[in-house]
Amino acid sequence: GESVGLHLPTLSVQEGDNSIINCAYSNSASDYFIWYKQESGKGPQFIIDIRSNMDKRQGQRVTVLLNKTVKHLSLQIAATQPGDSAVYFCAENGEGGKLIFGQGTELSVKP
Amino acid sequence: KAGVTQTPRYLIKTRGQQVTLSCSPISGHRSVSWYQQTPGQGLQFLFEYFSETQRNKGNFPGRFSGRQFSNSRSEMNVSTLELGDSALYLCASSLASGGAGNYGYTFGSGTRLTVV
Repeated sequence: GESVGLHLPTLSVQEGDNSIINCAYSNSASDYFIWYKQESGKGPQFIIDIRSNMDKRQGQRVTVLLNKTVKHLSLQIAATQPGDSAVYFCAENGEGGKLIFGQGTELSVKP
Repeated sequence: KAGVTQTPRYLIKTRGQQVTLSCSPISGHRSVSWYQQTPGQGLQFLFEYFSETQRNKGNFPGRFSGRQFSNSRSEMNVSTLELGDSALYLCASSLASGGAGNYGYTFGSGTRLTVV
């Protein structure tokens, strides 16, 4: 069935280090991917997106990489800050426009 | 402008009861989607409404239903509540139907439903 999965359920990093969160997706026909950040008590917040015709997209301190050959997506956060502590989800644009989410990775930033 | 507003924020219900959750989208947004978030299953799509019509539906039993009003506000209803329905219910609004790739989604903070 359709699925988007994450390799690591938890990630702990030191403040100032770079973080990498990975995601595997199963539908090779997917054409749009999003990374969301969810803080405690809040809904998912858009971070960055990428379309399947791109391999890399950069935002402010964040970069998303897409490897369609192995159906892999990653989110890189540069100079991780305590405010980056949250659960991160990758999502795939599924049938009819619904979002198919991965299970999430909890990022913990140590000061 | 105001974001997506979900009410109530917290709710406790007893097994067998029914519940109605409300979502007010961002002004001008006409599509509302609902998602269920649980620790075990993660975020799962329930349904999407656009122009008062259900456009897409996830794999949930018929106990889960929804509707959308002419002002784009949406409600979802769960009848005959089960313990497993305890979850965070999130709604997301979008300018139009057609998926996040076309119009983007903005999520509300959710309604935390606990069934006892």
